[in-house]
Amino acid sequence: EIVLTQSPATLSLSPGERATLSCRASQSVGSYLAWYQQKPGQAPRLLIYDASNRATGVPARFSGSGSGTDFTLTISSLEAEDFAVYYCQQRGNWPLTFGGGTEVEIK
Amino acid sequence: EVQLVESGGGLVQPGGSLRLSCAASGFTFSNYWMSWVRQAPGKGLEWVASIKQRGSENYYVDSVKGRFTITRDDAKNSLYVQMNNLRAEDTAVYYCARGPGGGYGTTWFDPWGQGTLVTVSS
Repeated sequence: EIVLTQSPATLSLSPGERATLSCRASQSVGSYLAWYQQKPGQAPRLLIYDASNRATGVPARFSGSGSGTDFTLTISSLEAEDFAVYYCQQRGNWPLTFGGGTEVEIK
Repeated sequence: EVQLVESGGGLVQPGGSLRLSCAASGFTFSNYWMSWVRQAPGKGLEWVASIKQRGSENYYVDSVKGRFTITRDDAKNSLYVQMNNLRAEDTAVYYCARGPGGGYGTTWFDPWGQGTLVTVSS
């Protein structure tokens, strides 16, 4: 099973700041990594698939990069609605797995 | 508009069974991977099971193998999971999620339903 480790667990930032979230895989997943956003009481929402492709309707301030074992989700300038929990997910191998999440909170 | 609506959750005793359903609309259901993902209270996301187009392949997380069965009815635009021998650790919100269409060998999840809560307790 591929283990995904997200860091940091919590990121405290102010609106307008840049957020950089990390996801590290225990073995290579190629480019088969997705990122999701989840707000309290809501279902997750796909942001990025296959490392760097923005999902439909996702603002351009969200970008993904990386390959192999190291991946990054960047939010270029945080807006109020971006404070949430973010999860990465690999589809390189079964079983599919998620990271433990990074909470982006208002500083 | 793509919609996924889960139903069938509730309170069940340990060792009991439950069948969850997911009604899909707004897209050609038969063309897409479909999956179940769960989230225990206050915890992260855990993939449970996925089924490929036409039910040609299905996959499960180890902890539910032999107890859960994922199926689809393309004529009814519906996804199901039959959950048997339920345990306390199966308590979670269960989400139905669509995957990619086309010839992908694995899946991401987009969009998600609103979820249905399964509570396993005596």
